[in-house]
Amino acid sequence: EPEVTQTPSHQVTQMGQEVILRCVPISNHLYFYWYRQILGQKVEFLVSFYNNEISEKSEIFDDQFSVERPDGSNFTLKIRSTKLEDSAMYFCASSIQPAGIRNEQYFGPGTRLTVT
Amino acid sequence: DAKTTQPPSMDCAEGRAANLPCNHSTISGNEYVYWYRQIHSQGPQYIIHGLKNNETNEMASLIITEDRKSSTLILPHATLRDTAVYYCIPYGGATNKLIFGTGTLLAVQP
Repeated sequence: EPEVTQTPSHQVTQMGQEVILRCVPISNHLYFYWYRQILGQKVEFLVSFYNNEISEKSEIFDDQFSVERPDGSNFTLKIRSTKLEDSAMYFCASSIQPAGIRNEQYFGPGTRLTVT
Repeated sequence: DAKTTQPPSMDCAEGRAANLPCNHSTISGNEYVYWYRQIHSQGPQYIIHGLKNNETNEMASLIITEDRKSSTLILPHATLRDTAVYYCIPYGGATNKLIFGTGTLLAVQP
């Protein structure tokens, strides 16, 4: 069964450093998402991406964040200058169709980001 | 966005049916009801969705009331591996984001 994969599983970085989280969505999916979950809190939407453009983003997704699909398979989330409060589990997801139609989102196993 | 109310936790005996309720009284006409679950520290997993008819798949059944103000997810024969947080999420329209609440922690007991 196809699945979303994410690397690394755990990333430790120092405050102020840049990190790139990587995801390989399911191959025939067209819509890509990043969510995050701070320990003990809800899963929060960050951004959705379609056709090489951001289609929607949350208030959390400020100028420190960017997303990219650098090739036909990877989808990345970059945090330019990490803060302590960026420590969280980051989940990538993909779906074959957009909102309002059949749009099951399939999530990866997550990358645990620890900022020290 | 429609608000949902779910019990914070439920227990179920292994092998028995688990019935997880969700109140979504402000759901709009074009919003589906989606159910996801999150096993500890893993990514959320899609279970099932419906608009107004009852639905069944290999994982679960979804019963939606006629007025669409509430729904129940049924796991017919719960196993220990079904222990997870279950989220009911109204979803659809112009947005493509999932809004997760706090969900119901289902603990399946041996």
